[in-house]
Amino acid sequence: QLQLQESGPGLVKPSETLSLTCTVSGGSISSSRSYWGWIRLAPGKGLEWIGSIFSSGSSYYNPSLKSRVTISLDTSKNHFSLKVTSVTAADTAVYYCVSDTTGHYFGYWGQGTLVTVSS
Amino acid sequence: QSALTQPPSASGSLGQSVIISCTGTSSDVGGYNYVSWYQHHPGKAPKLMIYEVSKRPSGVPDRFSGSKSGNTASLTVSGLQAEDEADYYCSSYAGNSNLGFGGGTKLTVL
Repeated sequence: QLQLQESGPGLVKPSETLSLTCTVSGGSISSSRSYWGWIRLAPGKGLEWIGSIFSSGSSYYNPSLKSRVTISLDTSKNHFSLKVTSVTAADTAVYYCVSDTTGHYFGYWGQGTLVTVSS
Repeated sequence: QSALTQPPSASGSLGQSVIISCTGTSSDVGGYNYVSWYQHHPGKAPKLMIYEVSKRPSGVPDRFSGSKSGNTASLTVSGLQAEDEADYYCSSYAGNSNLGFGGGTKLTVL
């Protein structure tokens, strides 16, 4: 059974870069034909897809965030990462790492990690 | 602002049925059969309940069903149970490898 676990700083200063990692167990991020992605839930808002990366390395991003977001794979550590640059308070949210085979929906979710942007 | 429109709240009594709508456009909901629904109990990870409009993942009770007409998708929860009380989010593929979500509907079981 695939399991995902987010990790990273819970507090980031405005204008700095938010960096999170999702460690995958129960499957290989490089050998399975899967999409690995990030979704966030800001206080009082709905879910927001941030972006996804296919096991081949092709990445896809939400157009509203594309200029600030990078998702990458680290096959040696079997994890994938999210970087969001120039963060503001609007980036405060619970960040979930997700996965599935089509990229159109996600059946596997991490437990989520709260990231607060504040000085 | 969310890409898809959901009612902020819905309610139903134990044992009754409730329908939650999700309205988009011909560029997302109406253009693809890639609508999915997620159940979210606060503090827990969201759970996939419906994918590709009407398919249920293994383990999801058949009390949950999905449908679509034009640019509006719907999630029906029949035989409401107390544990169904949660936030529900719809999602749709929107072309160009883009995914959109609704703003969420808080379902209250009376």
